[in-house]
Amino acid sequence: DSGVTQTPKHLITATGQRVTLRCSPRSGDLSVYWYQQSLDQGLQFLIQYYNGEERAKGNILERFSAQQFPDLHSELNLSSLELGDSALYFCASSVSPWGGNQETQYFGPGTRLLVL
Amino acid sequence: GQQVMQIPQYQHVQEGEDFTTYCNSSTTLSNIQWYKQRPGGHPVFLIQLVKSGEVKKQKRLTFQFGEAKKNSSLHITATQTTDVGTYFCAGSVGSGSARQLTFGSGTQLTVLP
Repeated sequence: DSGVTQTPKHLITATGQRVTLRCSPRSGDLSVYWYQQSLDQGLQFLIQYYNGEERAKGNILERFSAQQFPDLHSELNLSSLELGDSALYFCASSVSPWGGNQETQYFGPGTRLLVL
Repeated sequence: GQQVMQIPQYQHVQEGEDFTTYCNSSTTLSNIQWYKQRPGGHPVFLIQLVKSGEVKKQKRLTFQFGEAKKNSSLHITATQTTDVGTYFCAGSVGSGSARQLTFGSGTQLTVLP
């Protein structure tokens, strides 16, 4: 158990819909990362937050947005869903984005999204 | 931007054979980390290398960081079925607010019994 929690574990929805994925980082971790992993694919970095502020953006679509709240939990919002958005979405957390061991990322179990 | 390339993408080995995955960066890395993702699981941190030329071992796993801090390798001796999974390297580059950890594309290892 990494200490990172993600809800829900599974999500089935229809095209055009909007969903929200939730992540609670490890206690003490200030940085949260979101990744998308399609079947047998690598980890596509979406976005990173540090202490409530957006720190880095990856290949995140305009239909997707995220935020980190004062209690440090984060939500990833996916809207106007398409079939191709079906994937495993991981949240990871680290103490901070810099400095050796502090940037080690601890991954949650993921949310599996299926868009029909 | 920084890119971290990892090869091979897939590797099938017979149980007992050795396995190596390689990671290359276009820029000098501050450190490199390795993660393992079991089938159906999430990536789990294995190790971090910081120094030029550093070599670390974890039982049958040997991790190396290149002298120029631009490449790294993970070698598994005498693979077992428990080694099955995808191995990711992640390189850290930059400093301060620009520092970023970038994941390689991963090597998916299959071990045939």
